[in-house]
This record gives sequence, C-alpha cells and structure tokens, in this order.
Amino acid sequence: DTVMTQSPASMSTSVGERVTVNCKASQSVGRVVAWFQQKPGQSPKRLIYLATNRHTGVPDRFTGSGSGRDFTLTISNVEAEDLAVYYCLYYGSIPYTFGAGTKLELK
Amino acid sequence: QVQLKESGPGTVQPSRTLSLTCTVSGYSLINYGVSWVRQPPGKGLEWIAAIWSGGSTGYNSVLKSRLSISRDTSKSQVLLKMNSLQTEDTAMYFCARDDYSGDGFDHWGQGVMVTVSS
Repeated sequence: DTVMTQSPASMSTSVGERVTVNCKASQSVGRVVAWFQQKPGQSPKRLIYLATNRHTGVPDRFTGSGSGRDFTLTISNVEAEDLAVYYCLYYGSIPYTFGAGTKLELK
Repeated sequence: QVQLKESGPGTVQPSRTLSLTCTVSGYSLINYGVSWVRQPPGKGLEWIAAIWSGGSTGYNSVLKSRLSISRDTSKSQVLLKMNSLQTEDTAMYFCARDDYSGDGFDHWGQGVMVTVSS
C-alpha cells in the first residue's frame, strides 16, 4: 500500500500569511493526488485534483504542486474562513490512502 | 445537480453486520462510481471501498475480509456491508462520487454516524 506522510500535523498562522502543507508518498504516484478541506461538522470538500487542478469555485489562493513522491498545498493570503483540517489523498490505485491531516489554526 | 445521501441504522451491536446505502442523484452509476470513506470521532479520514462505473470493486487492505460493496443502478444506490463490527468501527461514514479519470471525490454526501454499542 502507498503511505501518504503528511506534515505538519498542525500549524498556526495569521490572516494574510502564506502556508504550505506537504504530503510525501512512500513510492512514486505520478500526479494522482487530491487535496481536501474539512471544517468541523462538515463533509470534506475537494480543493485540488490530479495534483495541480483547482476544483471549480475554489479561490486561486489555493495552489497544488508536485509529482512523483512530493506534493504541496499552498494557501496564499490566508483568510479566517480557511481555518480547517486539510487532507491529501492518493487515488491512483487500490487501496486509496489519505494523509493524516493538517490542522490550520489562528495564532 | 449531483447529490449523494447516506443512510444507515445509527447504532449496531458488536459482532453484527452493518448495512449502509448511498443514494445518488444528478448522475448515473453507469457513468461514475462511488467510494466510501469513514472518520472516527476526532480522527482522520480512511478510505474503505469503491465501486466504479463498469461494476468493478476495490477494498481497503486491512478491512477487505469484512467488506462487500454492490450497486443497484435502477435505484441509483450503492450498498456497503461490513461484518463483525467492533467498537473501533464507530465513525461517520461518507460516500463520494468516484471516477476512473482522476476527477473523482468532487461531490460528497453529508455522512451518516454509526455507533457500535451493545
């Protein structure tokens, strides 16, 4: 199984800052990685698919990058509404695997 | 518009079998599939199983022996069964649209909470 090691587990930021979340795959996975945002009591929402494609309606301050084993979600100019837990997902072959999640909090 | 809705029993006794249904609308199960994902209280997401547009299926490696996924295309429903339930299976269970092309997980249901308790 492909393991997705996500870091950091949590991070504190201020409105207007730039943050990055990382996922490292245990083997090369091409570009079949997605990123999700989950707020308390809600279903996950897709932000990025196939590593770099922004989901319809997602603000352009969310950017996905990477291929092979290393993937990054960058949030530029963080807004208060971005405080949530973020997950990466490898979905190129069975079994799909999620990263452990990154909780984004306000300083 | 595309919608998915999970339904299930709420509470299940240990060692019993869980049956969950995902009812989809706005698309056909012949064209897109469904994945199930669960989330124990306060913890992360775990992919469980999928059934794709052609009818093929896939399962989580650890849970595979306890799972069965099927579909009724005429009812636009996907059924997930998990046997030998344990307290560790207590979780919110979500279904999400899945797709071979890589454009999957674009729509999710609201989730259904399942508690394993006697």
